[in-house]
Amino acid sequence: ETGVTQSPTHLIKTRGQQVTLRCSSQSGHNTVSWYQQALGQGPQFIFQYYREEENGRGNFPPRFSGLQFPNYSSELNVNALELDDSALYLCASSLVQVGEQYFGPGTRLTVT
Amino acid sequence: AQTVTQSQPEMSVQEAETVTLSCTYDTSENNYYLFWYKQPPSRQMILVIRQEAYKQQNATENRFSVNFQKAAKSFSLKISDSQLGDTAMYFCAFMKLTGNQFYFGTGTSLTVIP
Repeated sequence: ETGVTQSPTHLIKTRGQQVTLRCSSQSGHNTVSWYQQALGQGPQFIFQYYREEENGRGNFPPRFSGLQFPNYSSELNVNALELDDSALYLCASSLVQVGEQYFGPGTRLTVT
Repeated sequence: AQTVTQSQPEMSVQEAETVTLSCTYDTSENNYYLFWYKQPPSRQMILVIRQEAYKQQNATENRFSVNFQKAAKSFSLKISDSQLGDTAMYFCAFMKLTGNQFYFGTGTSLTVIP
């Protein structure tokens, strides 16, 4: 059984640029959630995808968008990067009915 | 809205001793899940234990157990026989059954002292 993987591990971008982060879900999981974890804080829910459709969204602006593919992998896109977007971005996959979320190692994004 | 509060930013415990981490939450939902996750310095979040709100029996996983008080909306984690590998950030999390959204607390940094 393959766990959740994320790429890249680290990323440095400049304010105003766009970024795409990628996540491969755990085998058999059809739901992917994305979180932003600022330094010293708990993860904040960005949105969730279930069977390629957005299935819930947290309090994040529209410049945060995502996709889920037929193989249940997912992308998080952030446009017009701001300095406050610097954070660890976590992806988690789950079976809807079970509820437990299995997290990837995260992508550390730094915006300068 | 759901909120999760962890009032202990940092805690320490001697190796082999017992420590309890506190968590309270606020919700109007009747059915939900509660979780404790561990995030070691390597940063990958690992599930420690989960509790279904409809179950009265407190969940237990080896050295980890919870004290779930539904009326008080309290969900504490007890770690027995603490080990050096337990050093990590611990997050309490609440999950609504509708929407599968997780709400995390701000975490408790636990240090196990040799």
